[in-house]
Amino acid sequence: DADVTQTPRNRITKTGKRIMLECSQTKGHDRMYWYRQDPGLGLRLIYYSFDVKDINKGEISDGYSVSRQAQAKFSLSLESAIPNQTALYFCATSNYRQGSYEQYFGPGTRLTVT
Amino acid sequence: EDKVVQSPLSLVVHEGDTVTLNCSYEVTNFRSLLWYKQEKKAPTFLFMLTSSGIEKKSGRLSSILDKKELFSILNITATQTGDSAVYLCAVNRAGGTSYGKLTFGQGTILTVHP
Repeated sequence: DADVTQTPRNRITKTGKRIMLECSQTKGHDRMYWYRQDPGLGLRLIYYSFDVKDINKGEISDGYSVSRQAQAKFSLSLESAIPNQTALYFCATSNYRQGSYEQYFGPGTRLTVT
Repeated sequence: EDKVVQSPLSLVVHEGDTVTLNCSYEVTNFRSLLWYKQEKKAPTFLFMLTSSGIEKKSGRLSSILDKKELFSILNITATQTGDSAVYLCAVNRAGGTSYGKLTFGQGTILTVHP
């Protein structure tokens, strides 16, 4: 079983719709992250969370919001989707409590906004 | 603002060739540099480097960090078609709220032809 799961894996939505991407992890890690990946731009950080009560903006948070419902769950919302939010979205986790910098990635969600 | 630049952006080689991928960085209070391999899905961890001049090796892959000149290289010897992937470099800061937050480069697309 995958340690970091994302749902849905693929989604096509229309401009203006609200959409939520969900991430769950069974690794017991405390930190969780949301990234988007666009061709030629690598991975860019949208939001990250140290624990349930601590959420921080990344470099490209405009147009997105997040919720850390539990240590194992971190969801990303697009309040009103626009076409330039079409991208591959990754959730990741890390184990800060154990002093680890390595991040473990979920399989990704391919989002298309038409 | 932290900056990570990878070169080349893409590379096409034949099986058996040796390749060198480059990653240069500018980051305040550097802690570590990480290399990831991304095939069709999620990035998977390859190496983490924290000390200058110490080579990390895993099979045909090796990496080294130069903290004075602010760069790292990833070498792949005797390339195989299974090495075809995007290789991502990321840096991590030490301390404070940035602990554990990675800044990624744009990636190098490696294609290995039979």
